[in-house]
Amino acid sequence: EPEVTQTPSHQVTQMGQEVILRCVPISNHLYFYWYRQILGQKVEFLVSFYNNEISEKSEIFDDQFSVERPDGSNFTLKIRSTKLEDSAMYFCASSEGQGGNYGYTFGSGTRLTVV
Amino acid sequence: QKEVEQDPGPLSVPEGAIVSLNCTYSNSAFQYFMWYRQYSRKGPELLMYTYSSGNKEDGRFTAQVDKSSKYISLFIRDSQPSDSATYLCAMSGLSGTYKYIFGTGTRLKVLA
Repeated sequence: EPEVTQTPSHQVTQMGQEVILRCVPISNHLYFYWYRQILGQKVEFLVSFYNNEISEKSEIFDDQFSVERPDGSNFTLKIRSTKLEDSAMYFCASSEGQGGNYGYTFGSGTRLTVV
Repeated sequence: QKEVEQDPGPLSVPEGAIVSLNCTYSNSAFQYFMWYRQYSRKGPELLMYTYSSGNKEDGRFTAQVDKSSKYISLFIRDSQPSDSATYLCAMSGLSGTYKYIFGTGTRLKVLA
């Protein structure tokens, strides 16, 4: 069964450092997303991406965050200067179409720990 | 009032029991209702989605939506230890946005 692959599974970084989280979405999917889940809290939307541009972003997704699809397969989330409160599980997801009738496929996540 | 509310549990049931998991929501404009299962240290996995009101059945799982009460349910029949996971409800379909709004998840433990 096709899956969304995320690397690394766990990243520890010092406050103020830049991190790049990587994702390989399902090959025929057109819509890509990043969500995050702070420990004990709900899964929260960060950003959606379609046709090489951001289609929607949340208020969490400020200037410290950026996304990129550098080639035909990878989808990355960059956090420019990490803060302690960025510690969370970051999930990449992809879907064939947009809308609730297209269920997302999520990756297994990257656990980001900022120290 | 929170947009989507879900009892965090944990909920412990014996193997074979019928499990009922529920979410309430405040915004009547939601149109799509999803249930995801999340095993420890894994990403959410889509179980079922329902459009608008009504029931949907898939094997041992039944999803129910009652838009008049702003209440959705997931029933698991003949629960198995492998069903032990966190169950997340999610909703979408608000005008101008395609994002999903998740509940906090209910942790379910099925005892052998």
